[in-house]
Amino acid sequence: EVQLVQSGAEVKKPGESLKISCKGSGYTFANSWIGWVRQMPGKGLEWMGIVYPGDSNTRYSPSFQGQVTVSADTSMNTTYLQWSSLKASDTAMYFCARQWLYFESSVRVIPLFDYWGQGTLVTVSS
Amino acid sequence: IQMTQSPSSLFASVGDRVTITCRASENIDNYLNWYQQKPGQAPKVLICAASTLRSGVPSRFSGSGSGTEFTLTISSLQPEDFASYYCQQSYSAPRTFGQGTKVEVK
Repeated sequence: EVQLVQSGAEVKKPGESLKISCKGSGYTFANSWIGWVRQMPGKGLEWMGIVYPGDSNTRYSPSFQGQVTVSADTSMNTTYLQWSSLKASDTAMYFCARQWLYFESSVRVIPLFDYWGQGTLVTVSS
Repeated sequence: IQMTQSPSSLFASVGDRVTITCRASENIDNYLNWYQQKPGQAPKVLICAASTLRSGVPSRFSGSGSGTEFTLTISSLQPEDFASYYCQQSYSAPRTFGQGTKVEVK
């Protein structure tokens, strides 16, 4: 059974650093992209960035480029989302999700997030 | 690519037919997924490739569209369907989501 288990809730002060995690199991971890999605309180889903654990290739949304770092450790089957200096506006629920490829045909492949972590609530407050 | 859903919220009753629209700012072919999110839970994928129902998803859910305009239809709303729904384009990174549609009890 595929599972993504995220680290627990965090309460931090502005300016502090933070690294949250997402541990995958039940599939070949290195072979699937893992994405991170932000959900601010009462708001919608925002695609932040994605990492391919097999070679640590990453892609970021321009909105989050330079604000966060996404990484992976295949020896731990774990991906990470980290901040070097948190702001109050980083307060949100953060989800990790596995990107799966749906093969509509041999030449048309549709990416989707098929399994999600339970979410990590990050609260940044002085 | 910007994704715009309408309406942002709607009120409906059990048994109603519900339609949600999602528009892309440019042609995304059929690279469109739909997710359902209930309060306090992670999202769950319902439909991929605009119209392909994922395994285990009830057949009352259906999707259609191509290019820039897409719809998610719930043919007969059930109590467990009151939730928020999001479209997502997977044509290019960043794979942006729509702002969501909340389906509430009338």
